[in-house]
Amino acid sequence: DAKTTQPTSMDCAEGRAANLPCNHSTISGNEYVYWYRQIHSQGPQYIIHGLKNNETNEMASLIITEDRKSSTLILPHATLRDTAVYYCIVRVPGRGAQKLVFGQGTRLTINP
Amino acid sequence: SAVISQKPSRDICQRGTSLTIQCQVDSQVTMMFWYRQQPGQSLTLIATANQGSEATYESGFVIDKFPISRPNLTFSTLTVSNMSPEDSSIYLCSVIPRQGVANTEAFFGQGTRLTVV
Repeated sequence: DAKTTQPTSMDCAEGRAANLPCNHSTISGNEYVYWYRQIHSQGPQYIIHGLKNNETNEMASLIITEDRKSSTLILPHATLRDTAVYYCIVRVPGRGAQKLVFGQGTRLTINP
Repeated sequence: SAVISQKPSRDICQRGTSLTIQCQVDSQVTMMFWYRQQPGQSLTLIATANQGSEATYESGFVIDKFPISRPNLTFSTLTVSNMSPEDSSIYLCSVIPRQGVANTEAFFGQGTRLTVV
């Protein structure tokens, strides 16, 4: 099963772009990269996912390197409400269900 | 998307007792999962709740301690049995709504914050 490595914590100024890195050097060819975040005392929230092409939605952009061994989640204009723990997850197929395996994530703090 | 309702949202229980947590989804979903999040930690998958058959448990979790029911495609329960203070955690229900789509996103309930005293 591919595992991910993320920095424990990061800080970013409000209004600036927040770039959250993730390493997944053992990812296999059919595994997607997912990003979720968990705001304090809430359930995790889906942000974005991708396979090998860069992806963008209303929340964020996902940049995946050509060798797929790492990716970066970009929050283009961070606000205080983006303060949360961000999880980079590689989808793990298991027993017919594609369960999510969470690492420790990155605690992102947006500063005013 | 899917809207998930978990009950109770929080509870304080005596050691040795059991608590059943309910997860109700507003639409039929293919997969339902139960996670545990211990204080200050990440989420750990307890089991996959299978409709019409026994749940599939992850390593370190057993049916006697965490019995799970899944009577239909919109509802599941997780029971935390014979509780001890070490069971104090947030328990989260998660669903994957779409059948036949290999890489769709998962949705999470708001969790049940359990404190065992």
